[in-house]
Amino acid sequence: TQLLEQSPQFLSIQEGENLTVYCNSSSVFSSLQWYRQEPGEGPVLLVTVVTGGEVKKLKRLTFQFGDARKDSSLHITAAQPGDTGLYLCAGGTDTGNQFYFGTGTSLTVIP
Amino acid sequence: AGVTQSPTHLIKTRGQQVTLSCSPISGHRSISWYQQTPGQGLQFLFEYFSETQRNKGNFPGRFSGRQFSNSRSEMNVSTLELGDSALYLCASSLGLLTSYEQYFGPGTRLTVT
Repeated sequence: TQLLEQSPQFLSIQEGENLTVYCNSSSVFSSLQWYRQEPGEGPVLLVTVVTGGEVKKLKRLTFQFGDARKDSSLHITAAQPGDTGLYLCAGGTDTGNQFYFGTGTSLTVIP
Repeated sequence: AGVTQSPTHLIKTRGQQVTLSCSPISGHRSISWYQQTPGQGLQFLFEYFSETQRNKGNFPGRFSGRQFSNSRSEMNVSTLELGDSALYLCASSLGLLTSYEQYFGPGTRLTVT
């Protein structure tokens, strides 16, 4: 069982559509990060959310951290083919000394 | 320059050992190592900061690492098993990964036959 569960696991949508990816846990995280990984490359950090209830916007991407700091979401508006990739949430818990990655969401945006 | 890893690809036989290398972004003092497989996803191996292991994931003792005074790090896997086949990623950060952003290298693809 993974500490951070993402849904959906796979997502295939048409260009211009909106989508939301969820990242859930039963544990409290001190902060959560979102990454995008493309084939053959390492993950690239998109954003870090720190405060419960925080919302951050990065162009067409909106990130939200749950009030209880146990969950997060990533919303993409008007998806483009360049958004295609593996999206990963990640973070460290308040009590532990490890760093956890989510199960991942593979997004394909069809032109 | 970004985080660099070597080698990019490696093929080893069961029972052998392997050493992977990671050079951080200039000025970064922390290096973390991860294993990525299709089945288990990205899993944290360990973090080194100022030549000391600071955090550790749930991997057997066959997986070990070290960090040098110039912050470069090596990871060693002994007595390789087929299940060790994976993409091994390292990431560097200014300080401990729970407080600072990480920047990943392109990874080393290890195949164990």
